[in-house]
Amino acid sequence: DAGVTQSPTHLIKTRGQQVTLRCSPKSGHDTVSWYQQALGQGPQFIFQYYEEEERQRGNFPDRFSGHQFPNYSSELNVNALLLGDSALYLCASSLWDRPSGANVLTFGAGSRLTVL
Amino acid sequence: GQNIDQPTEMTATEGAIVQINCTYQTSGFNGLFWYQQHAGEAPTFLSYNVLDGLEEKGRFSSFLSRSKGYSYLLLKELQMKDSASYLCAVRAGTDSWGKLQFGAGTQVVVTP
Repeated sequence: DAGVTQSPTHLIKTRGQQVTLRCSPKSGHDTVSWYQQALGQGPQFIFQYYEEEERQRGNFPDRFSGHQFPNYSSELNVNALLLGDSALYLCASSLWDRPSGANVLTFGAGSRLTVL
Repeated sequence: GQNIDQPTEMTATEGAIVQINCTYQTSGFNGLFWYQQHAGEAPTFLSYNVLDGLEEKGRFSSFLSRSKGYSYLLLKELQMKDSASYLCAVRAGTDSWGKLQFGAGTQVVVTP
């Protein structure tokens, strides 16, 4: 059973460029959340997608946008890259309609973005 | 908003016990999670508490006191492979299934 897969694993960009990161959720999951993890910090919530719509958003500027496809996979786009965008970007999948409160997020290994 | 505090680093000897504390301030508390993250890898789920008390799962146990805004993760019979960062995360609100607020993580170093 494949878990959450992300691509690319590493990438280097320069300031002002744009980047697209991709995520395939765990089999059977329908909800994708994106997190940014700076070095030495915990993950910070960016946004969540369900049924191809953004359902919740964290405190991130509009330069961060996303998309979810009919097969539940998702993309994270970041425009006008800043040095401070350098981080590990984690994708997590889960089930939207789960009655139990213990709706556990399954994380991918992340995409390491370096902005020069 | 939410404020989550945990120690930056802890060192312990193989075979010993380590307790990682986490304090939080939040409104609409709806569960506390512990994740383990090895360097360069995905965070993996360890435990979930929503009611007060102790949840035991093998060598790992997690405790919650909602009135005190306090949780701890207890790691027993430490093994070298337990060297990792341990993340405390809180969920708030009934419509926030995917939104967790994480602490900065506690780096546990297990020595021989």
